[in-house]
Amino acid sequence: QKEVEQNSGPLSVPEGAIASLNCTYSDRVSQSFFWYRQYSGKSPELIMSIYSNGDKEDGRFTAQLNKASQYVSLLIRDSQPSDSATYLCAVNFLVSGGYQKVTFGTGTKLQVIP
Amino acid sequence: GAGVSQSPSNKVTEKGKDVELRCDPISGHTALYWYRQRLGQGLEFLIYFQGNSAPDKSGLPSDRFSAERTGGSVSTLTIQRTQQEDSAVYLCASSFTGTSGETQYFGPGTRLLVL
Repeated sequence: QKEVEQNSGPLSVPEGAIASLNCTYSDRVSQSFFWYRQYSGKSPELIMSIYSNGDKEDGRFTAQLNKASQYVSLLIRDSQPSDSATYLCAVNFLVSGGYQKVTFGTGTKLQVIP
Repeated sequence: GAGVSQSPSNKVTEKGKDVELRCDPISGHTALYWYRQRLGQGLEFLIYFQGNSAPDKSGLPSDRFSAERTGGSVSTLTIQRTQQEDSAVYLCASSFTGTSGETQYFGPGTRLLVL
């Protein structure tokens, strides 16, 4: 089982709809969770971080975390064609020495259809 | 402020040659990661440096790959005797450890093509 799992997609949604991206992670001590967006040919860029259970909203983006279910999601409201990209989920796991190490999922490709 | 920088931005080399890729992290960031990303694929973890601890080399695909981080800042990824399957984008990311964990910031990457 991979430590961070995402459906590779593509996930296709019509313009203006809500896009829902999901991520599950393994049963290890984890503290923080991130969503990155990666446009084709570009580096990943951080769009959201979440640390505690519940929802966190930032503009059209909402991150949701459920630690009991080991589940984190990203909702994009009023999806735009410019949101078309690959979305990467990342989790900070506690490793030996008391450090944390970031592990990425393989990403979900989102296509917003005009 | 300055972000993570990487050089060169592009590198074309012949099979069998050695290459060195450089990463300058954000000042003050204690952690540094190297990833490989093949065309159309996800991020492949290579190596992780955290402060003065021994690096986590568990992702290095073969002994042709090595990395150093000098003075807790600049890092160099070296690929010896390059093969065509080494062609990929090599991404560096640095992070700081805040009260809630690490937040990573990526450099623009080095695009390596092995002919």
